[in-house]
Amino acid sequence: KNEVEQSPQNLTAQEGEFITINCSYSVGISALHWLQQHPGGGIVSLFMLSSGKKKHGRLIATINIQEKHSSLHITASHPRDSAVYICAVVKATNKLIFGTGTLLAVQP
Amino acid sequence: DAGVIQSPRHEVTEMGQEVTLRCKPISGHNSLFWYRQTMMRGLELLIYFNNNVPIDDSGMPEDRFSAKMPNASFSTLKIQPSEPRDSAVYFCASSASSGNTIYFGEGSWLTVV
Repeated sequence: KNEVEQSPQNLTAQEGEFITINCSYSVGISALHWLQQHPGGGIVSLFMLSSGKKKHGRLIATINIQEKHSSLHITASHPRDSAVYICAVVKATNKLIFGTGTLLAVQP
Repeated sequence: DAGVIQSPRHEVTEMGQEVTLRCKPISGHNSLFWYRQTMMRGLELLIYFNNNVPIDDSGMPEDRFSAKMPNASFSTLKIQPSEPRDSAVYFCASSASSGNTIYFGEGSWLTVV
């Protein structure tokens, strides 16, 4: 079983829809990252969380340390949000463990 | 700052050849990471350095892979001899300290034929 599980693996949404991507992990962590990877490969860090909630524009990330669960929400989705979203947890040794990613396609 | 700079961006090489990938982290960052991404295995940490010292190299596939960080502004990942199964995108990333935002380079796309 992977230490970091994401769901769904694939997601297709219509423009304007509210989107949620989930991440569950089974190890102790010091922080969790949400990453975005566009076609062409570039990876951008969206959030780094150790507790609570963060918001940046239309993106919201939450984490529940007790339940070992994090969610990434996109409000008013847009085709330019189409990308792979990757959850990554930071273990005590500063080692990043990645989820398998969620491929999001937002259709106009 | 120019961000994390990797070179080459693309490389095609023949099996058995030596491959050297280079990375310049963001100035002032003291942690540097090498990752590999393939369709089959997704993103994997190969090795990371803290203050130029290798901290965890448990992700390095085998002895054909080696990484060095001779100073705070430069790191190399070397594959010798290369094999077709090494074909992947290799990302370098850096961060200011443990638990901080990680900045990725654009990746080095390696194809071994």
